[in-house]
Amino acid sequence: GGIITQTPKFLIGQEGQKLTLKCQQNFNHDTMYWYRQDSGKGLRLIYYSITENDLQKGDLSEGYDASREKKSSFSLTVTSAQKNEMAVFLCASSIGQGANSDYTFGSGTRLLVI
Amino acid sequence: GDSVTQTEGPVTVSESESLIINCTYSATSIAYPNLFWYVRYPGEGLQLLLKVITAGQKGSSRGFEATYNKETTSFHLQKASVQESDSAVYYCALGSNTGYQNFYFGKGTSLTVIP
Repeated sequence: GGIITQTPKFLIGQEGQKLTLKCQQNFNHDTMYWYRQDSGKGLRLIYYSITENDLQKGDLSEGYDASREKKSSFSLTVTSAQKNEMAVFLCASSIGQGANSDYTFGSGTRLLVI
Repeated sequence: GDSVTQTEGPVTVSESESLIINCTYSATSIAYPNLFWYVRYPGEGLQLLLKVITAGQKGSSRGFEATYNKETTSFHLQKASVQESDSAVYYCALGSNTGYQNFYFGKGTSLTVIP
């Protein structure tokens, strides 16, 4: 079976720092997603990509950049980390289009900004 | 707006007891909502438990069931007899089969099953 790998698992950054999170999948899925999960809140979509070099903004895209240079990888950049920010970032992929497709999620990257 | 509300956790039940985790949704901009339950077991990633894309239908997986009720806008997750291995965080989610952005998760319900 396939797998989605997110790196790093834990990320500690400083206020104002640019931080990059990486995601790799070997399912050969077309679509990839980045979600943010804050304590006590549901998952919120930051960016998604339906194919290589495609980028689409989600509800929470402000303050983030994304890059899909290869079909198998999708990276997310926090452009300027906010002090005391603490969240989990989840990468996902799906073979088809839309939420009707089965999503597969990575294990997450836990971010703490000091 | 579009949103999902589910049972606030944590929820603790004893093994072999029945379980229900409530989920209600609001789909004002989604013409044909699809409904999902996702689960995160300790130390693992989020994975799909079950989904239902047609109102009135029931989905089931691993002994869990959920019925898509359009009248009450609900998609409650039920299991007749839980096991310790069911301890996990459960997320109800609302999506559209016509767009990516309309995919909303609830806050999650942490379930602990006591042996």
